[in-house]
Amino acid sequence: RKEVEQDPGPFNVPEGATVAFNCTYSNSASQSFFWYRQDCRKEPKLLMSVYSSGNEDGRFTAQLNRASQYISLLIRDSKLSDSATYLCVVNMGYNFNKFYFGSGTKLNVKP
Amino acid sequence: DADVTQTPRNRITKTGKRIMLECSQTKGHDRMYWYRQDPGLGLQLIYYSFDVKDINKGEISDGYSVSRQAQAKFSLSLESAIPNQTALYFCATKGTGGDEQFFGPGTRLTVL
Repeated sequence: RKEVEQDPGPFNVPEGATVAFNCTYSNSASQSFFWYRQDCRKEPKLLMSVYSSGNEDGRFTAQLNRASQYISLLIRDSKLSDSATYLCVVNMGYNFNKFYFGSGTKLNVKP
Repeated sequence: DADVTQTPRNRITKTGKRIMLECSQTKGHDRMYWYRQDPGLGLQLIYYSFDVKDINKGEISDGYSVSRQAQAKFSLSLESAIPNQTALYFCATKGTGGDEQFFGPGTRLTVL
């Protein structure tokens, strides 16, 4: 079983739509959680960290459910520029310096 | 200038050849990582290092070796390249206090 699992998509949505991604993780001792964005085989870049209380950054909202071991990302009012692959990342391992990546969820926002 | 650089950016080589991928960083981070990414798969951890001379195996270290001779540099070697090592390779760094990893631009390696 993979440490971190995501629906690969693609999610094809029109501009202005709201879209949500989920991610599940297997290790209940996981410490930190993140969403990274990756454009077209370029390097991943941090989109946002995910806290137990949830967090919001503009059109993006991330939630963590420790009991069910899943993380979610909600994007409101989708823009064409949001088209990318979204990677769910979980921090575990010795000293919690080991990161496990999901395979990514591809989002296509269409005009 | 980029904080995390990788060389080369693209490389085509033949089966059995020895290849070295270089990663340099100017962020002053002590933690460095090497990942590979295959189409449709997430990033898989090859090796990581918490400091100079500290080396730890990741999920898929077989067929690879690394060297961390300086805080700013972390090299990945393929002693005898094979075609299934064809992939996109990323180097990343992380500071002691922060959670975020910073990635280099990647090296696209093709083994024929």
